[in-house]
Parts: sequence; C-alpha cells; structure tokens
Amino acid sequence: KAGVTQTPRYLIKTRGQQVTLSCSPISGHRSVSWYQQTPGQGLQFLFEYFSETQRNKGNFPGRFSGRQFSNSRSEMNVSTLELGDSALYLCASSLHGGAYEQYFGPGTRLTVT
Amino acid sequence: GQQLNQSPQSMFIQEGEDVSMNCTSSSIFNTWLWYKQDPGEGPVLLIALYKAGELTSNGRLTAQFGITRKDSFLNISASIPSDVGIYFCAGQNEAAGNKLTFGGGTRVLVKP
Repeated sequence: KAGVTQTPRYLIKTRGQQVTLSCSPISGHRSVSWYQQTPGQGLQFLFEYFSETQRNKGNFPGRFSGRQFSNSRSEMNVSTLELGDSALYLCASSLHGGAYEQYFGPGTRLTVT
Repeated sequence: GQQLNQSPQSMFIQEGEDVSMNCTSSSIFNTWLWYKQDPGEGPVLLIALYKAGELTSNGRLTAQFGITRKDSFLNISASIPSDVGIYFCAGQNEAAGNKLTFGGGTRVLVKP
C-alpha cells in the first residue's frame, strides 16, 4: 500500500506571496491532519480534515487554510507569507481520524525569503 | 496549552546499549504514540498505546503507557547505528480536541 505523499518536497517563496501544498493520504484513509515543524516550536498542529470537513483547528492565524476533496486528498494554503512561515509542513493520514495511528508523509520544506 | 516534556533532550548511544527516554505531562492522555524521524523525512510511527498500563513491543522497541495516564516511556534494546534519529512522543486527549500534542523530541546520536 502506498504511503502518504506530499508535493512539492521543496519550495522557495518570497515574503508576501502565497503557497499551496498538496497531500495524498494512504488509500482508504479519510482523515488528513497538517502540522508545522520548526526547530524552535517543534511539531505544531494546524488542522484536521475528515470527509471534506474541517474537524479540528490549531492556533494559527487565518492566513493558514486548508481543504479536502472528495477523494480525501488535501491542500493547505498559506497567504501573505512571512519569514517565520519557513518550516517543514507535514501531513498525516488516519483511517478513523483524530489521533489514532496517524501516518506522516515526507513533508514539504518551505523557505520564505 | 498542554505540554509534553520529553527527556532527555539528547543522548549518545553505543552499539549494543539499552537506552530509555520518557514523556511526562501534567495532563491526562488517552493515547500515546511514539515516532522516529530521520533527517529530511516525516516521522514514522513506531508504537501506539491506548490503555493505561499497556506495555507494547515492536522488535527491539518497547513502550509503556503510564498508570497515571500522564506519562509514557520508550526503551530501545541492543542499540544499532540506524537507531540514530529524533524520537517524538505524542499524546491525545479530549481537552486538546482529540488532536495530537507532541513532545520536543529526544535526539539520539552515536558516541564518537
């Protein structure tokens, strides 16, 4: 069974631009969660989508948004990029949603200059 | 917000040694998960624990869900070089909306 895939793997953007990251979950998994990982803050939860609905949200500004499609693929968008948004963005898929056995993708390394 | 305190922050291992790391919190958790992350990759799930007192093994790895539900530990027996990486604990509870809260990680390095 294929694992979680994320595209692109690396991205360089300029401050003020926007970016869209994509995540394809494990086949059959209906929940996708997004996390931001930085050396200073560690792994922080952004949001979770289950069956196309946002089910949970972390403490990030409204510039961070996401959506999920009917095939469970998910995208996250960051608008008006700031230098502090430079991070590894990870998505994780789960069969049942919530916290049970979340499987992570390789991440997208975003650098904002 | 909730915090998971993971210790030690880093450790050096020598091949063949047993090592231990733990995660503690002032909050009660219903689920504990342990992950390992290699450089440039996403975390890989090692062990999932769902019940207080539960002891689960995965090869040379053993993890326990503390009886108080406020802690968990991970043990690696007979270390090998590929055990190098960062190990994260993660907990889930209703207070956090059932989302995962991660510890700061334990960086495992090889003794020079």
